[in-house]
Amino acid sequence: NAGVTQTPKFQVLKTGQSMTLQCAQDMNHEYMSWYRQDPGMGLRLIHYSVGAGITDQGEVPNGYNVSRSTTEDFPLRLLSAAPSQTSVYFCASSSTLGVQPQHFGDGTRLSIL
Amino acid sequence: RKEVEQDPGPFNVPEGATVAFNCTYSNSASQSFFWYRQDCRKEPKLLMSVYSSGNEDGRFTAQLNRASQYISLLIRDSKLSDSATYLCVVNKDKYIFGTGTRLKVLA
Repeated sequence: NAGVTQTPKFQVLKTGQSMTLQCAQDMNHEYMSWYRQDPGMGLRLIHYSVGAGITDQGEVPNGYNVSRSTTEDFPLRLLSAAPSQTSVYFCASSSTLGVQPQHFGDGTRLSIL
Repeated sequence: RKEVEQDPGPFNVPEGATVAFNCTYSNSASQSFFWYRQDCRKEPKLLMSVYSSGNEDGRFTAQLNRASQYISLLIRDSKLSDSATYLCVVNKDKYIFGTGTRLKVLA
């Protein structure tokens, strides 16, 4: 059972580089979201999507872009990586916003030097 | 004020103890509530949903108090394997996490 798949699992970037974190789900879930988690802190919402073609900002959207061209995929783009974006990134999906809980991917551990 | 607040702990309890966590939320229009468990910064895993009437799953009981805007999690007969961080999640039009409460169950 694939569920929510995130790639890569680990990545090291240099300041100023750009990259895309991939997230795919095979459960036909409408709702998808991206979180970041820093040491000693909870998960903070970066961006979310309630369906294909619809995205919205969360609590900490600056420095990140998202798109939702298909139901399955929800990539997160770092435009110009900064050391403050060193974090663990989690992608999650839910079949019905607010009714069903979210399922999480394994996370991407990102370090920016 | 944060949308969802939790006592970070840690709560250090002996095996067999009963422990309770609270989580307060600021948006009175919040519609759904969940408790997740997270181990060593792995992905959060759903522990249980929280229903208005309260619900129980084995040793775990969750309750919702809409008037006071908090949810609670009670763990009875704590096991060493219960040691983890417990995250509450509140939803209105997006899912917002609390910062989590660390639990350490001691032998």
